Amino acid sequence: QSALTQPPSASGSLGQSVTISCSGTSSDVGGYNSVTWYQQYPGQAPKLLIYEVNKRPSGVPDRVSGSKSGNTASLTVSGLQADDEGDYYCSSYAGRNNFVVFGGGTKLTVL
Amino acid sequence: QVTLRESGPGLVKRTQTLTVTCTFSGFSLTSSNRMCVSWIRQPPGKALEWLGLVDWDDDKYFNPSLRTRLTISKDTSKNQVVLTMTDMDPADTATYYCARGGVFDGNTYYYAWDYWGQGTLVTVSS
Repeated sequence: QSALTQPPSASGSLGQSVTISCSGTSSDVGGYNSVTWYQQYPGQAPKLLIYEVNKRPSGVPDRVSGSKSGNTASLTVSGLQADDEGDYYCSSYAGRNNFVVFGGGTKLTVL
Repeated sequence: QVTLRESGPGLVKRTQTLTVTCTFSGFSLTSSNRMCVSWIRQPPGKALEWLGLVDWDDDKYFNPSLRTRLTISKDTSKNQVVLTMTDMDPADTATYYCARGGVFDGNTYYYAWDYWGQGTLVTVSS
């Protein structure tokens, strides 16, 4: 059982927006501005999309955004494209004892 | 160009010790770089799980639920990081990844990984 809670699935139509939530506690998501999001295609390694809640590495389009409110972080993908389909994972720094915890992943389907 | 590549045995037997090597290029784990390498695993069809990391100063952090079974070492001359996990069980069957701590705006982020290896599948037989 993962430390962070994500919905197992999400979906949206081409061109629309979808938001994926990531719920934790004050010991992880709520306690630090260190939420990270990854996208993973089947059989491939994860790809970093967002770090520090809402920062995008170079190469990640600005239609991908992150936010946080209290103990819940969110990833929003706007203008959905076919290649946005995949699994999305959140993670958070959780202090020096636990260090990093993950969510269970969300499978995004583009309709 | 940053690359990481994991190499492992593919198959281990229950109770044996697993050794997986991460060979990387494009960066180094020396004091001048202040970088780190993490290990993450993913059982088939399941979520990611962080295992541990080693940084440029040879500081190490481990997943507390696996701490007693894990060792991580680095060889800066070979640009390698080695993960060992003792007392393997079929539940440890997973793809094992190594990944670099993200470098953005001159800072290294230990808990956000920008480059990953392709992963190596380790199957534990009973």
